[in-house]
Amino acid sequence: EIVMTQSPATLSVSPGERATLSCRASQSVTSNLAWYQQTPGQAPRLLIYGASARATGIPARFSGSGSGTEFTLTISSLQSEDSAVYYCQQYNNWPSSFGQGTKLEIK
Amino acid sequence: DVQLVESGGGLVKPGGSLRLSCAASGFTFSSYSMNWVRQAPGKGLEWVSSISGSSNYIYYADSVKGRFTISRDNAKNSLCLQMNSLRAEDTAVYYCVRGDNNWVVAEYFQHWGQGTLVTVSS
Repeated sequence: EIVMTQSPATLSVSPGERATLSCRASQSVTSNLAWYQQTPGQAPRLLIYGASARATGIPARFSGSGSGTEFTLTISSLQSEDSAVYYCQQYNNWPSSFGQGTKLEIK
Repeated sequence: DVQLVESGGGLVKPGGSLRLSCAASGFTFSSYSMNWVRQAPGKGLEWVSSISGSSNYIYYADSVKGRFTISRDNAKNSLCLQMNSLRAEDTAVYYCVRGDNNWVVAEYFQHWGQGTLVTVSS
């Protein structure tokens, strides 16, 4: 099984600033990488698939990049509602696997 | 709109059994694979099981193989997860998740239910 490692575990950023979250795969997953946002008590919400394609209804301030084993989720101009835990998921190999999450706090 | 509503969670003793259900609506249920994904309290997401649209293909995580059984009733638009020999480490919120294909593949997940909490404790 492919192991997904996210960093940092917690990130604290001021409103209006940019947040950069990282995800590393234990082996290449090509571009088969998704990002999810989860707020307390809610189900995960798909943000990004194919490493860089935004899901339906996701604001343009969310962007994804990377391929192979290194991936980045960038949230530009942070807003208070972006406070959440963010997970990456590889779906290149069966079974798909998730990272352990990065908690994003808004200062 | 796709709707997935889980039920059946609760408190059960170690070694006990529980049956989770997921009522689906807003799409042609038989055309899509379905999945269960769980999340232990304060922890990350873990894929549990998948079933193809026609139930021909079924897969389980090693952590639940031999104890959990996934099934679906396409006539009733419902998905089930029968959980036996439950352990403390099975304590989690269980999400019903729709795939985007009829067959089972590794894929990203766009449609999630709100989850149902299973607590295994004496």
